[in-house]
This record gives sequence, C-alpha cells and structure tokens, in this order.
Amino acid sequence: DAGVTQSPTHLIKTRGQQVTLRCSPKSGHDTVSWYQQALGQGPQFIFQYYEEEERQRGNFPDRFSGHQFPNYSSELNVNALLLGDSALYLCASSLAGFLSTDTQYFGPGTRLTVL
Amino acid sequence: SQQGEEDPQALSIQEGENATMNCSYKTSINNLQWYRQNSGRGLVHLILIRSNEREKHSGRLRVTLDTSKKSSSLLITASRAADTASYFCATSQGAQKLVFGQGTRLTINP
Repeated sequence: DAGVTQSPTHLIKTRGQQVTLRCSPKSGHDTVSWYQQALGQGPQFIFQYYEEEERQRGNFPDRFSGHQFPNYSSELNVNALLLGDSALYLCASSLAGFLSTDTQYFGPGTRLTVL
Repeated sequence: SQQGEEDPQALSIQEGENATMNCSYKTSINNLQWYRQNSGRGLVHLILIRSNEREKHSGRLRVTLDTSKKSSSLLITASRAADTASYFCATSQGAQKLVFGQGTRLTINP
C-alpha cells in the first residue's frame, strides 16, 4: 500500500520564477492538504483540496494556487517566487466523509530553495 | 499563526529515560494529534486524541488531553536513540486544516 508521494524531492529556483510541486495521496484517500514549513518552524496550512475544489485556504497570497485531479493527485503552484518561499513543502492526504479518522498522512516533502 | 505551543523547545535526555513534551492551544478543538519529524523530512503520525478523551496509549507513547486547560502532553517511556527527532502537536476542528505548534526538538544521548 503506497503512502503519500511527492515530487520532486529538491528544487532550486531563482526569484520571479514559477514552480509546480506534485503529490499523490495514500491509496483510498480523497483529500489533499498542502503545508509550508520554514526552517525551524512548524508546518503552516496553505490549502486543502477535495472533489477537485479548494475547500479551505490558509493565510497565503494568491501566488499560491493548486489543483486536484480526478485521480485525487494534486499540484501546488507558486508564481513570482520570493526568497521567503524557500521552505519544505509538505503534502498530506486524508479521507473525507463518515469513514474519516481525521488523521492526515504526510509525504516526505519537497525542499524548495529560492536564490 | 501557530495555535499550538510546545514546551520545552528542546529536550536532551539519556537513553532509557522518559521524555515528556507539553502542548498548549488557544481555541476549541475536535482532536489533537502528535507527529514526529526526523531531520527535516516528512511528518510521521504518532497518535490522535479526540476532545472527549482524556488519555490514550500507543506502545511506549502516552498522550493526555485536558480541554479545560487547553493542553496536552506526550510521554515517551524508555527512550531510545531512534526517538531523536522533532515532535509537533497539531490541533484540528475536524477533517480540516491542522494547526501546528513550533515543535520540541528531542535528543536522546546514548
């Protein structure tokens, strides 16, 4: 049973560029959440996708956008990259509805460095 | 902003000793979860405790929840070198966003 997978593992970009990160949820899960974790900090919620729609959003600018595909996989896009966007980006999957255990399972993360 | 606050921020103990980490939060919750993170990698789910539960056990882990004080504690008994990691508490109001604290960095010395 595959867990949550993310790609790429590491990424280096320069200021002003755009980046796309990818996530495949744990088998059987239908909900994907994205988090940003700066060095030495706890993860911060970016947004959550369910049924291909953004269900909830954290305090992040519109430069951060996402998408969920029919197979429940998801992408996180960040435009006009800033130095402060350098962080570990974590994807978490969960199951919605009456079968939900409320537990979110995390992938290994994508380390983004903006130069 | 972070809702949960872990205490202490760093903890160093000898192998075999018990480690206790505390978490406080600000608003009402549906559940509280503890996660472990090794060296900037992904988070591993340890245990979930619901707002109507007071204590929960999983192997060497014991979690308590006091909703009147808006606090939780994680106890790791008989610590091992492999327990060296950062530990985060995260609160949730359902299957929605998790709000994390800044974590406790635990070091187990051989």
